[in-house]
Amino acid sequence: AQKITQTQPGMFVQEKEAVTLDCTYDTSDQSYGLFWYKQPSSGEMIFLIYQGSYDEQNATEGRYSLNFQKARKSANLVISASQLGDSAMYFCAMRESNAGNNRKLIWGLGTSLAVNP
Amino acid sequence: DAGITQSPRYKITETGRQVTLMCHQTWSHSYMFWYRQDLGHGLRLIYYSAAADITDKGEVPDGYVVSRSKTENFPLTLESATRSQTSVYFCASLAGFNEQFFGPGTRLTVL
Repeated sequence: AQKITQTQPGMFVQEKEAVTLDCTYDTSDQSYGLFWYKQPSSGEMIFLIYQGSYDEQNATEGRYSLNFQKARKSANLVISASQLGDSAMYFCAMRESNAGNNRKLIWGLGTSLAVNP
Repeated sequence: DAGITQSPRYKITETGRQVTLMCHQTWSHSYMFWYRQDLGHGLRLIYYSAAADITDKGEVPDGYVVSRSKTENFPLTLESATRSQTSVYFCASLAGFNEQFFGPGTRLTVL
């Protein structure tokens, strides 16, 4: 079973509007981390935001925020005031077991976002 | 320049040949990773390394070999390339606990 599910293969948003990219996860660990990465058409992977499972507040980084709903096991990325440069693939990832030396990530299949002018 | 580099950026090889993909980082990060990215599969971890001389298998290690004699280098070798290893390969290093920095990727085609 997939541990990270991104149900939206493709999304469109109008420039300057907000958009939510969905991510659900599956883990039995109590301590874990959730990540979002951006991959523009140029191919590089860019870290956007991190949320720890024990963090009480939703993570925010500039125009990016992570809507963390622990009981529903969802970690949606919200991009406010979309810009043309936000057009890219977006990947949700999870690090199971934040304890110990685990640093491995499990990745979703990604959502392609297109921002229309 | 500081950062993480991969070479070559593009490689075409033939089935059965040995291929080595290079990865170099200038930060002295302890952890390094090799991923492959394929349509429909997202990113899959091949191998990772917690420090020099410490490596471990990821999700899809078969057909690959890694070494890490120096902290800054983490080469990935395909001992006998197969068509199924045609992919884009990313190397990454971990800053602190959370942020993985990725290299630009190597696009490998096995004919």
